Amino acid sequence: DTGVSQDPRHKITKRGQNVTFRCDPISEHNRLYWYRQTLGQGPEFLTYFQNEAQLEKSRLLSDRFSAERPKGSFSTLEIQRTEQGDSAMYLCASSLTDTSQYFGPGTRLLVL
Amino acid sequence: GESVGLHLPTLSVQEGDNSIINCAYSNSASDYFIWYKQESGKGPQFIIDIRSNMDKRQGQRVTVLLNKTVKHLSLQIAATQPGDSAVYFCAETGANSKLTFGKGITLSVRP
Repeated sequence: DTGVSQDPRHKITKRGQNVTFRCDPISEHNRLYWYRQTLGQGPEFLTYFQNEAQLEKSRLLSDRFSAERPKGSFSTLEIQRTEQGDSAMYLCASSLTDTSQYFGPGTRLLVL
Repeated sequence: GESVGLHLPTLSVQEGDNSIINCAYSNSASDYFIWYKQESGKGPQFIIDIRSNMDKRQGQRVTVLLNKTVKHLSLQIAATQPGDSAVYFCAETGANSKLTFGKGITLSVRP
């Protein structure tokens, strides 16, 4: 499968714990995006990378959230001190510059 | 603020009929529009896109129409099938690349 992959697909954690999600984009896609989706809503932009550079961060991305793409390939999204309001689907997408974004299957996070 | 929205929350169609899903956008600076299909528990799946220098684009069984004058986007699905049942989102983007999504409309196909 050459699509965008995400790991894990599901994560249950207790409030206050840290979690980390991984995204592997489509090979050779230079852009990688993170979105968050809550039930019944469309995805909301969090941040994106062009190669290893993080070019934009949404105001939704509080200081508890950090994303990296150290080698310009896979990316990680870490949430520190999780809160119940962090429960959502975290989606990753990738693209070439100025072309369509293709999404992965998402990581569903539940914070108890 | 600027937003992308959908006129109807749900759409029910008979199998074999054509479906039309409408979307209004308000950001006049948007120059690229995409329709996504999302099935339960899955990520959004790219269906078709259109740039602002076009007013129509056709794919396999799908057509996207763009009316920049009234800031309206539509997705037409020909001969709707049960497998088309899903939530559909329109999304728009401009120079900054991030997608802004509407809330989604559920398409239900009756056998």
